[in-house]
Amino acid sequence: SAVISQKPSRDICQRGTSLTIQCQVDSQVTMMFWYRQQPGQSLTLIATANQGSEATYESGFVIDKFPISRPNLTFSTLTVSNMSPEDSSIYLCSVSILGAGELFFGEGSRLTVL
Amino acid sequence: TQLLEQSPQFLSIQEGENLTVYCNSSSVFSSLQWYRQEPGEGPVLLVTVVTGGEVKKLKRLTFQFGDARKDSSLHITAAQPGDTGLYLCNYQLIWGAGTKLIIKP
Repeated sequence: SAVISQKPSRDICQRGTSLTIQCQVDSQVTMMFWYRQQPGQSLTLIATANQGSEATYESGFVIDKFPISRPNLTFSTLTVSNMSPEDSSIYLCSVSILGAGELFFGEGSRLTVL
Repeated sequence: TQLLEQSPQFLSIQEGENLTVYCNSSSVFSSLQWYRQEPGEGPVLLVTVVTGGEVKKLKRLTFQFGDARKDSSLHITAAQPGDTGLYLCNYQLIWGAGTKLIIKP
């Protein structure tokens, strides 16, 4: 299993600013994922972050808007840049452990942009 | 493109009632997973079904994988307020739309 800590758990930000969300895992993992979720709705994958290479972004998400760092096998950050109210959402970090067959999630970071 | 169609998207019932959530696709999957998410938390895995026709039970929750491995269902017997949450079916990075379940005392 994996225990994932996400920071911040929630934040209220002003339009035009940027926020960096941190994801710390208690074990080394190869694949980390960043999701966006509207309350009560399903998950939308933003990107896959692999250590030692650039993140792979899904359609509709670009690196300039959502830069991701993955400096080692236990840590990643997602930055939401130049925020607008449309970026208000829950952002979730997730990891896949080889052989475990399941995804483990952080508690999410609830972002509100005014 | 593989899709998972989940229904219903919202369900509000009284404690003690039974319910079924469906996850359907036109594609064949080698496995399907069901997650439950409570407010303020990330999704947590409930079960993985692998074999066509497989039935798995988790207390009052019964999960079934279709014979053709294109669909799955989650049945809850005598629902309790603690069953309230968002239920999601999943295959790797493909997610159903989710079912928001509210059990009223």
